[in-house]
Amino acid sequence: DAGITQSPRHKVTETGTPVTLRCHQTENHRYMYWYRQDPGHGLRLIHYSYGVKDTDKGEVSDGYSVSRSKTEDFLLTLESATSSQTSVYFCAINNRGDTEAFFGQGTRLTVV
Amino acid sequence: GENVEQHPSTLSVQEGDSAVIKCTYSDSASNYFPWYKQELGKRPQLIIDIRSNVGEKKDQRIAVTLNKTAKHFSLHITETQPEDSAVYFCAASFGNEKLTFGTGTRLTIIP
Repeated sequence: DAGITQSPRHKVTETGTPVTLRCHQTENHRYMYWYRQDPGHGLRLIHYSYGVKDTDKGEVSDGYSVSRSKTEDFLLTLESATSSQTSVYFCAINNRGDTEAFFGQGTRLTVV
Repeated sequence: GENVEQHPSTLSVQEGDSAVIKCTYSDSASNYFPWYKQELGKRPQLIIDIRSNVGEKKDQRIAVTLNKTAKHFSLHITETQPEDSAVYFCAASFGNEKLTFGTGTRLTIIP
């Protein structure tokens, strides 16, 4: 498996609290992505990064922010968690958009 | 931006029969079309991919076909087995543009 790790793997948090998920890679890949997976919606892109400090929005970016201060780390922050953000979050990496993407193990987030 | 549509959303086939999943894409510049398999509780993993300079690619029981003119590509699984039961995602991208995924197909193999 590619060197990509997500933390935490599971989290339960209360509505209104900030939450940060971490994606760490050891592959030195340029691109890093955050997706959320919900039944009936497949994998929806939240934000992605194409280099240190270079990020862009995906299709479901409202309520989320990201940061990439080092090549190996990509952080996803839910500024004020809501129940609609209960989901499974996947991080992915690749070197170019047109190459294989490797996924992390996923983080199951529950907002109560 | 790119839009990828995937059909059907669910598919059940008898063990040993073939399964076909179809995707269409909107950006004619897209040139990379991977397929990912996600088993229950696990991460998506690449099973096969195709580039726009190729019309078909096979790997044992799986194959992908691409029709650039119609902007659609398909995954074919022959001689299906119980371990083929999973969710399958298609995707499309161009160069350094991000991967865009379809909504997934839940494939169930009936013993």
